[in-house]
Amino acid sequence: DARVTQTPRHKVTEMGQEVTMRCQPILGHNTVFWYRQTMMQGLELLAYFRNRAPLDDSGMPKDRFSAEMPDATLATLKIQPSEPRDSAVYFCASGLVQNTQETQYFGPGTRLLVL
Amino acid sequence: AQKITQTQPGMFVQEKEAVTLDCTYDTSDPSYGLFWYKQPSSGEMIFLIYQGSYDQQNATEGRYSLNFQKARKSANLVISASQLGDSAMYFCAMREGWGGGGNKLTFGTGTQLKVEL
Repeated sequence: DARVTQTPRHKVTEMGQEVTMRCQPILGHNTVFWYRQTMMQGLELLAYFRNRAPLDDSGMPKDRFSAEMPDATLATLKIQPSEPRDSAVYFCASGLVQNTQETQYFGPGTRLLVL
Repeated sequence: AQKITQTQPGMFVQEKEAVTLDCTYDTSDPSYGLFWYKQPSSGEMIFLIYQGSYDQQNATEGRYSLNFQKARKSANLVISASQLGDSAMYFCAMREGWGGGGNKLTFGTGTQLKVEL
């Protein structure tokens, strides 16, 4: 049963530290998304890639966030320096279209707490 | 304007009954897709069902069905024979534009469903 995996599952860090979150999309999926979920903002898109090329990162604070996909099996989201307002659950999702059926499967998320 | 509207912040249903979770959407794009996700208290996002704007029939997946009314721009989720394990937050989401390879999703605010004995 193929799944999107994310590491770490939980991260507690101090303000100013660098945070790196990793995602392994489902093999064969050609689209990867990074979402953030908070109580106040709900689910919001940060960035996404198609065939490893960044398509849209308008939802991401550029001065501190960066998203990359160094190869088809790894996507990363970095925050440097981290701030308390970055505390949230960060989800990675990968997508596939087969015939007329489309799916986007989410990973388990990384729960980030910045003190 | 909100692209996805879920007007029910919370719903209660008795076990074994059917429940409908409402979702309306707003788009001028003729090509779009509608998704429903379940988020239990554990926090994971579980994909439930998908409906494409050009699909002629309503999507079904086991006990889940999507009541797609294009003219009304509604995509309600129907859960038949509710189970205690269905208690969770449910999100409606929309993808605008051609989904070849996937496009980003815009999410609603969610509906918290509680299944009671």
